[in-house]
Amino acid sequence: DTAVSQTPKYLVTQMGNDKSIKCEQNLGHDTMYWYKQDSKKFLKIMFSYNNKELIINETVPNRFSPKSPDKAHLNLHINSLELGDSAVYFCASSQEPGGNTIYFGEGSWLTVV
Amino acid sequence: AQKITQTQPGMFVQEKEAVTLDCTYDTSDQSYGLFWYKQPSSGEMIFLIYQGSYDEQNATEGRYSLNFQKARKSANLVISASQLGDSAMYFCAMREVQSGRRALTFGSGTRLQVQP
Repeated sequence: DTAVSQTPKYLVTQMGNDKSIKCEQNLGHDTMYWYKQDSKKFLKIMFSYNNKELIINETVPNRFSPKSPDKAHLNLHINSLELGDSAVYFCASSQEPGGNTIYFGEGSWLTVV
Repeated sequence: AQKITQTQPGMFVQEKEAVTLDCTYDTSDQSYGLFWYKQPSSGEMIFLIYQGSYDEQNATEGRYSLNFQKARKSANLVISASQLGDSAMYFCAMREVQSGRRALTFGSGTRLQVQP
C-alpha cells in the first residue's frame, strides 16, 4: 500500500492553463506538505498544513493555492501556468509533535509548454 | 546563509566499499532533527535515517549510519558495503523544532555513483 500517493505522476500542459495535483496519505499523519524540486534538483517547501490548517506559506506566487479538505488530503491548484512552473512537486506527511519520519510521495512531474 | 551545506556535488565509490557523504548545518535552535533522503533516477524520495539533536548515540539503519558531531554541526551519512543500487542523489535535510518550523530545509544534494 502506498503511504503517500500523488496524482497525476506526469502532467504536460500549455501555458495559461489551470491544473491540480492531488495528494493523499494513509498513514494517519496530521501534517502534510508540498515541496517543489527545480531543474537543479533543489527542494524547497511551498506549503504545510496541520489538521487542515495552513501553517507554512512560503514566498510562492498566489497562482498556487493549496486546499486540504481533511487531514488525509492536500491538493495543489495552480492557475495560469507559466513555463517556470515546470518542476517536480512532492507531497509529504508527518505526525506531530515529534515528526522524526517525514514520508514523501513519488512526485508529480509538471511540464508547461 | 545556507542552513544545510553539502559540499560534494558528486562522489564515486567502488562496489563493496564504504563512503561518507558530508553534511553541515547551521541553526540556533537547541532542538532540531537531521534527515537523509535518497533519490534514485526514478525520482522518488526515500527516507533513510534520522538523528535528533538530543540523541546521544549516532543513528544507524542497516548499512546506513549517521556520524553526528554536534559541536562541529555536521551530520555525515556513512554507507557501508556500497551496492550498485546505492547510485542516486542523496539529500541532507534539517527541521528546526524549537522555532516551530516543521518543514525540512534541504541541502543541494550529492550524486553518488557506485562503480562495479
